[in-house]
Amino acid sequence: AQTVTQSQPEMSVQEAETVTLSCTYDTSENNYYLFWYKQPPSRQMILVIRQEAYKQQNATENRFSVNFQKAAKSFSLKISDSQLGDTAMYFCAFVTGGGADGLTFGKGTHLIIQP
Amino acid sequence: KAGVTQTPRYLIKTRGQQVTLSCSPISGHRSVSWYQQTPGQGLQFLFEYFSETQRNKGNFPGRFSGRQFSNSRSEMNVSTLELGDSALYLCASSLGQVWGSPLHFGNGTRLTVT
Repeated sequence: AQTVTQSQPEMSVQEAETVTLSCTYDTSENNYYLFWYKQPPSRQMILVIRQEAYKQQNATENRFSVNFQKAAKSFSLKISDSQLGDTAMYFCAFVTGGGADGLTFGKGTHLIIQP
Repeated sequence: KAGVTQTPRYLIKTRGQQVTLSCSPISGHRSVSWYQQTPGQGLQFLFEYFSETQRNKGNFPGRFSGRQFSNSRSEMNVSTLELGDSALYLCASSLGQVWGSPLHFGNGTRLTVT
């Protein structure tokens, strides 16, 4: 079975600090896509970053970057210069095999940015 | 461009009833997926529609069904509601031609079954 594990149920950091959210996954597939989604209290899931498994280079989007370690099946998210608006649930997810099983999500990490 | 629109935002139903949820994707998006989000099970894939055809299906009972119209709008139906169907139902759209395209989610429909 394909699984995603987010080992940190909740994290709290001060504004402007850097924080890293961990994610490990398990799949026997070699071709897949990885994602981080953010879900604020408004409930809407917002795409933070996307990584293609066959690309060695780590994806970055402004203050957000990933550390993708394919052999270790690890996909952590780093948020630099954290802002109050970053407070949200963060979900790690991946899709394989042409999308037949949809996105497989982790249980999420509740990130709280303190002023 | 307008985002993914889900209606209604909240629903309260009684056990045994049926319910229909609606989703309007982003203009030009032909793929619509549905997910169920609960505190216990987290986010689980229900099904995906592309060009009016169900392309993929998750591991849910037949009480959960859906359809997609020619304008890509999608509906999801749950029959014979059970208490365990209480959840946030999220709809997501994408261009759909290439798997692995990022999904764009709506705000969800919160279903409460009493």
